[in-house]
Amino acid sequence: DGGITQSPKYLFRKEGQNVTLSCEQNLNHDAMYWYRQDPGQGLRLIYYSQIVNDFQKGDIAEGYSVSREKKESFPLTVTSAQKNPTAFYLCASSLGTSRGADTQYFGPGTRLTVL
Amino acid sequence: AQSVTQLDSQVPVFEEAPVELRCNYSSSVSVYLFWYVQYPNQGLQLLLKYLSGSTLVESINGFEAEFNKSQTSFHLRKPSVHISDTAEYFCAVSEVDSSYKLIFGSGTRLLVRP
Repeated sequence: DGGITQSPKYLFRKEGQNVTLSCEQNLNHDAMYWYRQDPGQGLRLIYYSQIVNDFQKGDIAEGYSVSREKKESFPLTVTSAQKNPTAFYLCASSLGTSRGADTQYFGPGTRLTVL
Repeated sequence: AQSVTQLDSQVPVFEEAPVELRCNYSSSVSVYLFWYVQYPNQGLQLLLKYLSGSTLVESINGFEAEFNKSQTSFHLRKPSVHISDTAEYFCAVSEVDSSYKLIFGSGTRLLVRP
């Protein structure tokens, strides 16, 4: 089955720890994205990548880092510099051939809670 | 800068009644428009999108949305809702031919009651 997987589904972090959220896709998509979802605020873009070994900051990149070493994978690290990391994190991908018009396909999400 | 406004945070409706979820956007350039649906504790799924052509677009499960350029709106409608339509609905916009970025509204929770 083609799709996007995110792991883990639930993640608990102690203050001061870095954690890495996994995102894998087998849709052969070039573009991948990370969003943060907070209640009542919709989705906000953290980082996006249009091609392997290249990525751009979104609207709320501070305290986060990413890598794109393989087409299928786009892991997100939430660093200790992120002051309020408790949220639902969504990964998405798209073909990357039609800027703006692409449908984005979303994974099931990772819920991160800081203890 | 673009922005999307979904004024209704929650819309309660009885089963088989019609519903309209409102979406207004602000942009200085041409845009593409999207509606996504999110069921509890899941990711988002595309419901429908407007790229060009006919201003009325339809989804396979009975939803439709109409692009109104003069009112900068893209309201979502369904003539008769089902319990299974209970979910959160997000309107989103992107700039034509210039960016991969999607700007999302804050979402509207549709609550269908029996």
